Amino acid sequence: AQKITQTQPGMFVQEKEAVTLDCTYDTSDQSYGLFWYKQPSSGEMIFLIYQGSYDEQNATEGRYSLNFQKARKSANLVISASQLGDSAMYFCAMREGLNRDDKIIFGKGTRLHILP
Amino acid sequence: DVKVTQSSRYLVKRTGEKVFLECVQDMDHENMFWYRQDPGLGLRLIYFSYDVKMKEKGDIPEGYSVSREKKERFSLILESASTNQTSMYLCASSFKNTEAFFGQGTRLTVV
Repeated sequence: AQKITQTQPGMFVQEKEAVTLDCTYDTSDQSYGLFWYKQPSSGEMIFLIYQGSYDEQNATEGRYSLNFQKARKSANLVISASQLGDSAMYFCAMREGLNRDDKIIFGKGTRLHILP
Repeated sequence: DVKVTQSSRYLVKRTGEKVFLECVQDMDHENMFWYRQDPGLGLRLIYFSYDVKMKEKGDIPEGYSVSREKKERFSLILESASTNQTSMYLCASSFKNTEAFFGQGTRLTVV
């Protein structure tokens, strides 16, 4: 069963608009972490933002924020005031548990296109 | 800066060959991971390791093995390469409970 679901394969957004990329996850653990990564056309994987399951506040990093709704198992990425350089593939990921042998699993990604 | 280095950016191998993909990290991370990335499928975990000589299967371990003899090095081995293993391979490392840092990827083509 898929543990990370990103339902939007692709999105087109006008420059300067806000963007919400959807991510839902499935876990029975109480302790877990959620991540978002950006992969531009160059192929590098860039870490954007992290949310721990016990964090009470939504994570924010500059123009990125994570809309964490624990009861709905949702961890959407919000990009404010989008820029052309935001065009990329975006991956949601989860790390279950707080143990040393925890793995990180990824969703299938959303390709975001910012239109001038 | 954290550095995760994969030995090759591009690799072309023949069907049936034994292939080694090497990954080295310089941050003393406990955890190391191998993923393959295919269009429409995202990143799929092949194997990971949380300590020297320790390994755990990911979601798609068939046809692969790994080796971690030293903390900084994690090798992915394709015992007998097949065309369906043509893919982008990404190595990553992390401390326990932190984000993973990725290498630049190896695009492997099996002909």
